[in-house]
Amino acid sequence: DAGVIQSPRHEVTEMGQEVTLRCKPISGHDYLFWYRQTMMRGLELLIYFNNNVPIDDSGMPEDRFSAKMPNASFSTLKIQPSEPRDSAVYFCASSNGFNQPQHFGDGTRLSIL
Amino acid sequence: AQSVTQLDSQVPVFEEAPVELRCNYSSSVSVYLFWYVQYPNQGLQLLLKYLSGSTLVKGINGFEAEFNKSQTSFHLRKPSVHISDTAEYFCAVTSSNDYKLSFGAGTTVTVRA
Repeated sequence: DAGVIQSPRHEVTEMGQEVTLRCKPISGHDYLFWYRQTMMRGLELLIYFNNNVPIDDSGMPEDRFSAKMPNASFSTLKIQPSEPRDSAVYFCASSNGFNQPQHFGDGTRLSIL
Repeated sequence: AQSVTQLDSQVPVFEEAPVELRCNYSSSVSVYLFWYVQYPNQGLQLLLKYLSGSTLVKGINGFEAEFNKSQTSFHLRKPSVHISDTAEYFCAVTSSNDYKLSFGAGTTVTVRA
């Protein structure tokens, strides 16, 4: 079975540019989560969706960050404009129910110069 | 809200020796507990989960964990480690009244020959 698929795996861009990270969850999963991982702060939940609807975006650090889920098989996390402090590994995860295990993608390693 | 404390940030261990990774949680309601493993440049992979029932939970790759409600702990154990078990391990908790998964800071296990 295909797992959670994220693209790109690596992204290097200059400060001020728009960055779009993409995620395809596991088919049939109705929850989707976006996380950010850094050495300093560990794993942070940014936002999660249930049935394509954003439920809790309290972890989104600033208005520069936005996330969408236009359908059950696709989600994006956008940063505009990007800043060097946004450099991190961003993970997408999905699950098939409340309190069920989350399945993670391999992440996008983002570097903002 | 719940929280997780992983008591050891780094655990060096020799090949074929046993290992225990300690995890304590705090929550005022029923909890669901997970252990994840992260290999370099990869996402998190579920090792095992406790949702209900038997307090001794067996997972993949020979790992097991025991849920101890009175001590609010969920320690992970493996009787004999391999070099390939070198990775970072995360304990995570969610509860019956919160969709969010709270992660510990992680424990880095380094297995030496």
